[in-house]
Amino acid sequence: EVQLVESGGGLVQPGGSLRLSCAASGFTFSSYWMTWVRQAPGKGLEWVANIKEDGSERYYVDSLKGRFTISRDNAKNSLFLQINSLRAEDTAVYYCTSTNVAAAGLHWGQGTLVTVS
Amino acid sequence: QSALTQPASVSGSPGQSIAISCIGTSSDVGNYYKYVSWYQQHPGKAPKLIVYDVTTRPSGVSTRFSGSKSGNTAYLTISGLQAEDEADYYCCSYTNTDTYVFGTGTKVTVL
Repeated sequence: EVQLVESGGGLVQPGGSLRLSCAASGFTFSSYWMTWVRQAPGKGLEWVANIKEDGSERYYVDSLKGRFTISRDNAKNSLFLQINSLRAEDTAVYYCTSTNVAAAGLHWGQGTLVTVS
Repeated sequence: QSALTQPASVSGSPGQSIAISCIGTSSDVGNYYKYVSWYQQHPGKAPKLIVYDVTTRPSGVSTRFSGSKSGNTAYLTISGLQAEDEADYYCCSYTNTDTYVFGTGTKVTVL
């Protein structure tokens, strides 16, 4: 069974930093692109970034470039999202997903809540 | 990378069919023939993939869900509406900048 478990969220002050993690199991992690998607309270889904199987390519939504960094460790079946210079508008649930070109979110984690206040 | 446009809400009675539109541009929905997906999200839960490649359902997803596309607009049709279909639905498309963009979301209400 595919499992994606996010962690690292919490309450952080504006201007602070946070590193989110996603532990993957039940599939060959190193064979999949991986993605972060976020959802502000009461709002819709927003695609944030994705990373190629071997980490050699990364793409970001334009509005977040420079503050967000996606990375992965295939030896540990883990995905990461480093967020710097946090703003109130970054408050959201952050989801980790496995990805292929046909679907940004093949499988989803339960999400981790980041609150900037 | 503007969000794809979906109606805010759609409603129907049990047993009816409803359709949700997802309007994009030639840079996303209209550009990549098959790279449109749809997601169902119940309150307080993570989204779930219900359609990918415009028309393909993952294993275990009800055949009552079907997808289609015409030009810059994709559609999700739910036939034989059931109470359990009450949820938020989001479309998503690959774009010509190698990123993805989600739709604004549609709340489906079963009357």
